[in-house]
Amino acid sequence: GENVEQHPSTLSVQEGDSAVIKCTYSDSASNYFPWYKQELGKRPQLIIDIRSNVGEKKDQRIAVTLNKTAKHFSLHITETQPEDSAVYFCAAVIDGGATNKLIFGTGTLLAVQP
Amino acid sequence: EPEVTQTPSHQVTQMGQEVILRCVPISNHLYFYWYRQILGQKVEFLVSFYNNEISEKSEIFDDQFSVERPDGSNFTLKIRSTKLEDSAMYFCASSFLAGESYEQYFGPGTRLTVT
Repeated sequence: GENVEQHPSTLSVQEGDSAVIKCTYSDSASNYFPWYKQELGKRPQLIIDIRSNVGEKKDQRIAVTLNKTAKHFSLHITETQPEDSAVYFCAAVIDGGATNKLIFGTGTLLAVQP
Repeated sequence: EPEVTQTPSHQVTQMGQEVILRCVPISNHLYFYWYRQILGQKVEFLVSFYNNEISEKSEIFDDQFSVERPDGSNFTLKIRSTKLEDSAMYFCASSFLAGESYEQYFGPGTRLTVT
């Protein structure tokens, strides 16, 4: 079945620095890649997503890139702030009908040091 | 902004007992999901539900689990005979449509503790 690997598991950066989180998916039929931010004890919340027909998408300080050939996608956060500290999950979706279940990566704990 | 709600926020039960976790999806959404997250681990898909039937379930979703949409607003997950390893955060999610254009909105979760 589909599997999503995510690296690193923890990431510590200084405020103002950039952070990059990388994911790899296994099923080439995956065609939608959302990123979720989860603060401690809270629900996952979508922060950005990318579809398979797009190579890059940006929303203010957050950007996501997708390399379909290599089956890699990455989250880039620039000018990090302490409130960016959270667990970030990548996910992949196979657009195959009525389900569209999210297959999550293992998560990255991002700590932004003030 | 409409939100998915879940009750209770925390449920403690003894091994072997039945539990029912409740969710109220966003009112015009048609697709419903349950996910679980064991403490410190990733979120895992359990089951998806559309048009009053299960559309897909994972290996985790064995005969001890069932889902129901008893009325026009609630979506429930029942665990018939809980095991210690069922202890986790259970998230309900809903989406308007399936497909890459439609975000799944997550509820706040129910923390299930099996003792």
